[in-house]
Amino acid sequence: KAGVTQTPRYLIKTRGQQVTLSCSPISGHRSVSWYQQTPGQGLQFLFEYFSETQRNKGNFPGRFSGRQFSNSRSEMNVSTLELGDSALYLCASSPGQPGYNEQFFGPGTRLTVL
Amino acid sequence: DAKTTQPPSMDCAEGRAANLPCNHSTISGNEYVYWYRQIHSQGPQYIIHGLKNNETNEMASLIITEDRKSSTLILPHATLRDTAVYYCTYNNDMRFGAGTRLTVKP
Repeated sequence: KAGVTQTPRYLIKTRGQQVTLSCSPISGHRSVSWYQQTPGQGLQFLFEYFSETQRNKGNFPGRFSGRQFSNSRSEMNVSTLELGDSALYLCASSPGQPGYNEQFFGPGTRLTVL
Repeated sequence: DAKTTQPPSMDCAEGRAANLPCNHSTISGNEYVYWYRQIHSQGPQYIIHGLKNNETNEMASLIITEDRKSSTLILPHATLRDTAVYYCTYNNDMRFGAGTRLTVKP
């Protein structure tokens, strides 16, 4: 079974630009969660999508948005980039059903904002 | 917004057992406890999970208190490659705390 894939792996943008990151979950998984990790920080939860609907949301400004497609692939968008948005962005997929829900993480996209 | 509490750092001698505690006092009765670890800046890796009973797999053991408000991850014979940040979390809450940075020393 293929793992979680994220594209691109590395990205450099400048302040004020916007960026879109992509995540393809494990086949059959319907939940995709996104996390931001800045140097020295833990995993900050951004949001979770399940069956194309946002099911959970963290405490991030509205510049951070996401969506999920019918094939469960998910995209995350950050508009009007700020220097502080430089981070490793991780996505994780899980079956999303009640009960046991181990999360499988992708390798991440490292975003650098100049 | 994390609902788990872990010590920020711990040291362990190579070959000894590493015991990593986690407090999750707001866990609900039907929610599983999960442990993950993150080495360098790779994506976190699943270690083990449990509901009420103690669990063991090839990587670790998980001890959950009877009231389920806390748990302990045990690495029975820590190696240098176990140096990582360890996170505990639980079902229905996608949030991770700051984790525990475990350093295994020779």
